[in-house]
Amino acid sequence: AQSVTQPDIHITVSEGASLELRCNYSYGATPYLFWYVQSPGQGLQLLLKYFSGDTLVQGIKGFEAEFKRSQSSFNLRKPSVHWSDAAEYFCAVGSSSGSARQLTFGSGTQLTVLP
Amino acid sequence: EAGVAQSPRYKIIEKRQSVAFWCNPISGHATLYWYQQILGQGPKLLIQFQNNGVVDDSQLPKDRFSAERLKGVDSTLKIQPAKLEDSAVYLCASSLAPSGANVLTFGAGSRLTVL
Repeated sequence: AQSVTQPDIHITVSEGASLELRCNYSYGATPYLFWYVQSPGQGLQLLLKYFSGDTLVQGIKGFEAEFKRSQSSFNLRKPSVHWSDAAEYFCAVGSSSGSARQLTFGSGTQLTVLP
Repeated sequence: EAGVAQSPRYKIIEKRQSVAFWCNPISGHATLYWYQQILGQGPKLLIQFQNNGVVDDSQLPKDRFSAERLKGVDSTLKIQPAKLEDSAVYLCASSLAPSGANVLTFGAGSRLTVL
């Protein structure tokens, strides 16, 4: 069964500082990997996704993530955080086989941005 | 394009009462999902529909939860009778095809409080 671990429950950074959110996955084959962001009272919005090819993927709002197969990781990064980036971030893995190709989410990382 | 619509946005009920949530997916999206998101946790899949058929309901508490997707478009999720532990946000999502490589688009969610 697939699973996702986000080790950091809460991260605080200052505006303008760099950001890295960690994500580790468990899946027996090549995974489909996603990062979603959820602002208070909102649904989940897709930031970026990795299916194959270049292991460094670019997303919206200046975010990027790097797939490292050897470490089973898909960490999210941003070089300079803006106050509007404060939200909860979810990493997810999608199965590539089976009739029910589901998305499994991690427990999320809450990001606080200090002025 | 219009997003995934959900209603009601908020619902407060007493335990043992019933509640129903409605979802209208993006036009043309064959796959529809209901996720439960308990405070502080990532979304957990309850049920997945492909058109009007159930693909996976293995994590749906069938003694109290039911869902249907008549005509392969709108869907309703019902809880009867509700328990305190059902307090959560119920997220509806849709995709063109079963997830994996397909991107899920989420609605804003329906927040349920059971007293």
